[in-house]
Amino acid sequence: QKEVEQDPGPLSVPEGAIVSLNCTYSNSAFQYFMWYRQYSRKGPELLMYTYSSGNKEDGRFTAQVDKSSKYISLFIRDSQPSDSATYLCAMSSRGSQGNLIFGKGTKLSVKP
Amino acid sequence: DAGVTQSPTHLIKTRGQQVTLRCSPKSGHDTVSWYQQALGQGPQFIFQYYEEEERQRGNFPDRFSGHQFPNYSSELNVNALLLGDSALYLCASSVWGTNEKLFFGSGTQLSVL
Repeated sequence: QKEVEQDPGPLSVPEGAIVSLNCTYSNSAFQYFMWYRQYSRKGPELLMYTYSSGNKEDGRFTAQVDKSSKYISLFIRDSQPSDSATYLCAMSSRGSQGNLIFGKGTKLSVKP
Repeated sequence: DAGVTQSPTHLIKTRGQQVTLRCSPKSGHDTVSWYQQALGQGPQFIFQYYEEEERQRGNFPDRFSGHQFPNYSSELNVNALLLGDSALYLCASSVWGTNEKLFFGSGTQLSVL
């Protein structure tokens, strides 16, 4: 079993839809949870960062962490064609200092 | 404010050759991490440098080595290239001892023929 599982998609939605992206993990030591967005042939861009459990909202983006279920989610409201990208979840344990464990990424396409 | 910069953007090598990739961290950052991203996969941690020393290493062979300079910039060296080393090599910078927020460069696309 991989440490982090993420459905690679692809996921195609119409403009304005609510998008739900998810990852599951097996390592209970993970405490830091991140979502990165990666456009084609570019490096990952940090979207959301959460420490431990709970919700975090930033504009159209909401990140949720459920440590009891080892499950994290990213919601995108009012999705736009410019949101079309690959979304990577990443996580790490305390003291790992830069050693992030990434999911495979979910490729999202938002159609006008 | 310049972000993380990497050079070159693209590189083509043949099996058995050696390659050096370069990275300049974001202004104010002192720690550099290197990742390998194969096509269709998430990035995999190679190693991290702080104060010119390798601090952590992922599951990569000794053919992968690195260096950090006093100005915090870094190099990734790969010897005896294999076809399987073809990937996007990403550099990420951060501030040591704060948190796990990494800022990535656009990467170097390495093709090994």
